[in-house]
Parts: sequence; structure tokens; C-alpha cells
Amino acid sequence: ILNVEQSPQSLHVQEGDSTNFTCSFPSSNFYALHWYRWETAKSPEALFVMTLNGDEKKKGRISATLNTKEGYSYLYIKGSQPEDSATYLCAFTRQGSKLTFGKGITLSVRP
Amino acid sequence: DGGITQSPKYLFRKEGQNVTLSCEQNLNHDAMYWYRQDPGQGLRLIYYSQIVNDFQKGDIAEGYSVSREKKESFPLTVTSAQKNPTAFYLCASSITGTFYEQYFGPGTRLTVT
Repeated sequence: ILNVEQSPQSLHVQEGDSTNFTCSFPSSNFYALHWYRWETAKSPEALFVMTLNGDEKKKGRISATLNTKEGYSYLYIKGSQPEDSATYLCAFTRQGSKLTFGKGITLSVRP
Repeated sequence: DGGITQSPKYLFRKEGQNVTLSCEQNLNHDAMYWYRQDPGQGLRLIYYSQIVNDFQKGDIAEGYSVSREKKESFPLTVTSAQKNPTAFYLCASSITGTFYEQYFGPGTRLTVT
């Protein structure tokens, strides 16, 4: 069973703060890394799917980087807003395999 | 609107009864998945299907069964053999291959007493 670690487990920030999360995964036979946002009472929604070492993706105030050689990805949120409050999941896969999810990071943004 | 629907949102059953959770998608995706979420744990894969009439066990398939008779539908049966069935169940679909993002349904919370 593959181990996907996310840290911290939870985070409480003030509106306007920037924040970042880490997702660690096995670096061998890497294929893809997914980030999802899961708001309370809604379905998880994909933020990014990343496949190339050094990849950097951005969606509005949220961006992610990928280091496949050392096995980690960072998710950054610039100027957090209350609507960013959610659980952020990362999931890792090797080729021909299935997604393995981390436990998620719960972000709470105070107005 | 394209998407995934799961019904019902909440389900209550007595111990020893089988129960079937519904999952339907109109995204024309070949692949469909069932996950289970428990407190403090990541999503764990129960079963997945990459094409109609074919499915594979995930990490925690014991006590569950599925069918994939239609592309749009992937129902999950929680049998009485599942030792801890109370959980939140999520269905997802995608273009075949883990290179592609998964689209999730709203989930079903099953409580077995």
C-alpha cells in the first residue's frame, strides 16, 4: 500500500493570509499527482492534475508545484478568503495503478 | 447539466441486511469508482470499473459487490459480510486512466445499527 502524507492535518488562518500545504508521496515510478478541494456539504472537485517534474499550475489564487524526484507537491493559496475553507486532498498514482489519497488538510479561514 | 448523482443522501439499515447504493453519471465516462471515507482516513478505493461489464477490486473490497451493466450506472451493494459498513461512500467517474481528474458525486452516508 502506497503512503501519501499530507501536512499539516489542519490549519486555521486569518483572511488575507497566504498559506501552503505539503503532499509527500513515493518518488519511484511516478505517474500523476492530483489535488482536490472538498467543501463541506459538496462533492470533491479537482484543482490540478500534475505529471511532470517541475510542473507548476495555477488557478486564480491557488497554485501548485511538483517535485517527482524527491516526492512532494506544494499547494499555495495566496490571500486566503473564507470561501477557501475546505479540505484539500492530494492523490498519487503510478502508471497502470489506481489513485491513493492522503488524509487531507482541513483549512479554516477566519473573516 | 452533466454530473454524478448518488442516492439516497442518508441511508439507515439494520445489521444483517444488504443495501445497495446508487451511482449514475451522464458525463459519458468509461471509468467509475467507489470510495469509502472514515474519520481520520483518506478516501479508500472499494471497487472500480474501466468499462461496461468489467470491474476490479480496490483496496477494501471485502463485504462489497458491484455491477456495471450500463455505462452510466455503477451500483454498490454493501453486504452483511462487511464488518464495519457505517461510513460515507463516494462515487466518482473519469475518462479511463489516472492521468485524468475524477468527478465525484455528493456521497451517501450509510448508518447500520
